[in-house]
Amino acid sequence: DQQVKQNSPSLSVQEGRISILNCDYTNSMFDYFLWYKKYPAEGPTFLISISSIKDKNEDGRFTVFLNKSAKHLSLHIVPSQPGDSAVYFCAASARNTGNQFYFGTGTSLTVIP
Amino acid sequence: KAGVTQTPRYLIKTRGQQVTLSCSPISGHRSVSWYQQTPGQGLQFLFEYFSETQRNKGNFPGRFSGRQFSNSRSEMNVSTLELGDSALYLCASSRGDRVDEQYFGPGTRLTVT
Repeated sequence: DQQVKQNSPSLSVQEGRISILNCDYTNSMFDYFLWYKKYPAEGPTFLISISSIKDKNEDGRFTVFLNKSAKHLSLHIVPSQPGDSAVYFCAASARNTGNQFYFGTGTSLTVIP
Repeated sequence: KAGVTQTPRYLIKTRGQQVTLSCSPISGHRSVSWYQQTPGQGLQFLFEYFSETQRNKGNFPGRFSGRQFSNSRSEMNVSTLELGDSALYLCASSRGDRVDEQYFGPGTRLTVT
């Protein structure tokens, strides 16, 4: 049972435009969320996190939005750059379970120069 | 600060054999988690070790086991290998005192023939 879902396997965006990657979850106990970027032949790289006490967190070009009522989070990248082309994973955890994270299946982002 | 290291990077084994993978976390990190990544399945949580104790366990058969040493280094063992165990095995470390972002190693690519 996939508790974290990324329903778009791929996304193409023009350089300079906004990239929006979406993630849905089913477990209402999840209260901490992470986004990772992964290049081929490398491990995932941590990008940004958000806890359930917030609905938005920004770090440079990356902003994560959390809609708890809809059990939905999204990652916005503005402006998109060719180097952002990678697979993006969202992950969720319930704080009282320690570091047991549930990952989505990933969205492959291609930024077209 | 050195990142998470995993050895070996690539491994080819035969069905029925057993394998041991190693992970060295970032200095000061006490939590090590293991994940299996297969095409279309995303990252599946195997288990987490914190201070030499297994703190969380995913839904994998008992053939998958692990341990953590006093220096926080961790090993994962898979016995009686099956073809379906072919995957990228990733370990991630974090401080571990609370739910926190995890930092991944490059992974070990295991191929079972």
